[in-house]
Amino acid sequence: EVQLVESGGGLVQPGRSLRLSCAASGFTFDDYAMHWVRQAPGKGLEWVSGISWNSGSIGYADSVKGRFTISRDNAKNSLYLQMNSLRAEDTALYYCAKGGTESYGDYVYFDYWGQGTLVTVSS
Amino acid sequence: AIRMTQSPSSFSASTGDRVTITCRASQGISSYLAWYQQKPGKAPKLLIYAASTLQSGVPSRFSGSGSGTDFTLTISCLQSEDFATYYCQQYYSYHTFGQGTKLEIK
Repeated sequence: EVQLVESGGGLVQPGRSLRLSCAASGFTFDDYAMHWVRQAPGKGLEWVSGISWNSGSIGYADSVKGRFTISRDNAKNSLYLQMNSLRAEDTALYYCAKGGTESYGDYVYFDYWGQGTLVTVSS
Repeated sequence: AIRMTQSPSSFSASTGDRVTITCRASQGISSYLAWYQQKPGKAPKLLIYAASTLQSGVPSRFSGSGSGTDFTLTISCLQSEDFATYYCQQYYSYHTFGQGTKLEIK
């Protein structure tokens, strides 16, 4: 059974940093791209960042480019998101999502999702 | 950036109804489209990918069609557990979601 468990969320002041983690199990982690998708309270879904199986290809949404850094440790079956210079508009539930089996280059759908970790940016 | 527009944004239906949700891309995306279902307090669940391929374990009352810019998700016979919010997502160029369609009980 595929499991994705996020952690690291919390309340943080604007301008500060936070690091999210996602522990994966139930599949061969280093065979798949992994992504972060967020959802602001009461709003829709927004893709944040993605990383290929070997970290060779990385992408970011324009809204977080230059502030967030995605990484993975295949030996630990873990995905990370380092979030710097946080803003109020980064407040959201952050989901870890597994890339599907059929991609179009670096782009893919998401076949499994974690339950999310809440990040609140407020003074 | 490719924009995805869903219609309607919300609507009401009854158990047993056949319902269709539409998703339009701002430019052609071939068949690189997925549909998700999200219930309150839960993570999204993949229903369909490649516009019409049913994800394993998803009931056959769900179906998807379309290519290019216009896509539809159809639920052939609504069940009580289908009342939720549905999102489309393109993966032709980066990843963009539609704004969501909330399906409520009439």
